[in-house]
Amino acid sequence: DAGVIQSPRHEVTEMGQEVTLRCKPISGHNSLFWYRQTMMRGLELLIYFNNNVPIDDSGMPEDRFSAKMPNASFSTLKIQPSEPRDSAVYFCASSRTGGGEKLFFGSGTQLSVL
Amino acid sequence: EDQVTQSPEALRLQEGESSSLNCSYTVSGLRGLFWYRQDPGKGPEFLFTLYSAGEEKEKERLKATLTKKESFLHITAPKPEDSATYLCALLSGSARQLTFGSGTQLTVLP
Repeated sequence: DAGVIQSPRHEVTEMGQEVTLRCKPISGHNSLFWYRQTMMRGLELLIYFNNNVPIDDSGMPEDRFSAKMPNASFSTLKIQPSEPRDSAVYFCASSRTGGGEKLFFGSGTQLSVL
Repeated sequence: EDQVTQSPEALRLQEGESSSLNCSYTVSGLRGLFWYRQDPGKGPEFLFTLYSAGEEKEKERLKATLTKKESFLHITAPKPEDSATYLCALLSGSARQLTFGSGTQLTVLP
């Protein structure tokens, strides 16, 4: 199994630009999670999906952030417009169910907003 | 509110020098406590899940234990390849998903 695949690995953009991060979960996993990691705040859950349906988006910082999961094998996290404080590593993770068992993380996208 | 506190923030050991990492927590009904390892530039990798006080799990040089207030990750005779950040996370009865601690950055010197 290839594991959770994220793209791009690195993204550098200017303030105000739209940023789209992509994730392919492990085949057969029903739940997908988007996390953000910073030195100050650690790992924070942004949103998670179960069977392609958003279940909890309470961690999404504001309306500039949106996430979609059009099918079981693809999800996007979009930031529009981006701001320097959005700079962080964004991780996607998947699990077999949404019951809180172990998560499988991708390698992350390092986002820098200048 | 569920809280997870890890200590120390950083730990440097000589190869072969055993030690323990601590994860203290307050939670309303623990459903599980998780340990993950994170290498630089990578996502966290699952190590263990503990479900009840008194439970222990082992994997190679690592052993995780759980009490009602804290969990320990014991590292016996560590090697340089054990260098990583170790994260603990808890799942409570009231939360849908994991709450992560800030991690302990472990460096094992040859």
